Formats: sequence, structure tokens, C-alpha cells
Amino acid sequence: EAGVTQFPSHSVIEKGQTVTLRCDPISGHDNLYWYRRVMGKEIKFLLHFVKESKQDESGMPNNRFLAERTGGTYSTLKVQPAELEDSGVYFCASSTRVTYGYTFGSGTRLTVV
Amino acid sequence: ELKVEQNPLFLSMQEGKNYTIYCNYSTTSDRLYWYRQDPGKSLESLFVLLSNGAVKQEGRLMASLDTKARLSTLHITAAVHDLSATYFCAVVRAGNMLTFGGGTRLMVKP
Repeated sequence: EAGVTQFPSHSVIEKGQTVTLRCDPISGHDNLYWYRRVMGKEIKFLLHFVKESKQDESGMPNNRFLAERTGGTYSTLKVQPAELEDSGVYFCASSTRVTYGYTFGSGTRLTVV
Repeated sequence: ELKVEQNPLFLSMQEGKNYTIYCNYSTTSDRLYWYRQDPGKSLESLFVLLSNGAVKQEGRLMASLDTKARLSTLHITAAVHDLSATYFCAVVRAGNMLTFGGGTRLMVKP
């Protein structure tokens, strides 16, 4: 089966610009998670979708971040406007409701300059 | 708030040596994961530990869980260069979200 796909793999943008990250989960996985690793720090939870609904967005840093999951399939994470501290690697993961496994994508490395 | 502490954060070791990575967590959880990440790649699941005393082994890696001590270990036996990577432990909290340790960057030298 295809894994979790994220794109772009790298993005370099200027402060104040907008960037949209995309995650395609494994087909049939209802749960979709976004995580972020800022340079030198631990990987932190951002939010969790169950199908198209936001189950928990307690990790979203501020209202410059907007996540959507259209039709319960792929998800996008938009950062607008981007700030320097948003730089890091953004990971997406998906899982089913009944297994213990999370499958992660390769991440998007975002650099805000 | 669940906190997960991993140590060491960086480990340089010779091939053939043994070493242990430690993962402490602050509150009760029913699942603990170990992941491996190679540069630019995804997090690869190594082990899922579900119960106290659980021990799992795959090749040169062995993971164990002590839920009473809130401690998991990842033991490396006779390290080889191919094991060089960053290793993360992660603990499940309410809502099935993962709380990660800071990661251990392992370098195995010939």
C-alpha cells in the first residue's frame, strides 16, 4: 500500500509570505495528525483530524495556522503569514481506528527567511 | 501535562559496542513507541510496547517497558554503522496523540 505522502518536501519562503503544506494519508485511515519539529527541539503535536472533523487542535501555535481536511481525504496546513519561528519540519501521520500503528510521512522542511 | 525525557540526546559509539537509550515519562500511559528516523526520511516504527514488562527484539535492538517506573529502554547490541540514525520514543496520551522525547542521535563509527 502507498504510504503517507507529504509535499513539498522542502519549502523556503520569506517572512510574511503564505505557505501551504499537503498531506495525503493512507487510503482508509480516518485519523490524520500533524506534528512539527522546530530545530533542536522535540516533535510536538499540532492537531488531529478524524475524517474531516478536527478532533483536537490544542497544539496549533496561533491563528496564523489553518488546517483543513477536505472530504476526509488529504489535509492541508496553511501558514499565513509565515514568521521566522515557524521554520522546522512538519510531519503528518495517519492511522486507523482499530490499530496501534501510526504511519508517518517524510515531512516538509519549512524554512522562513 | 505528559512530559517525555530521552537520554542521551547524542551518542557516538564504536561498532561492536553495546549501549542503552533511556526514555522516562511523567504520567501513566498504555502505549509507548520507538521510532527510527534517517535524515530526510519518515519516522519508521520500530516497536510498540503495550504492557508492563513488555520486551521486544528486532535484530540488534531490544526495547523494554517498565510502567511502574515509567521507563523504557532501547538497548543496542554490537552496534553496526547501519544503525546510525535518530531514535525517538513517544508515549500515547489521551486522544491518541503522541508525546515525543527529544530524540537520540546515534552515530556508530567503524
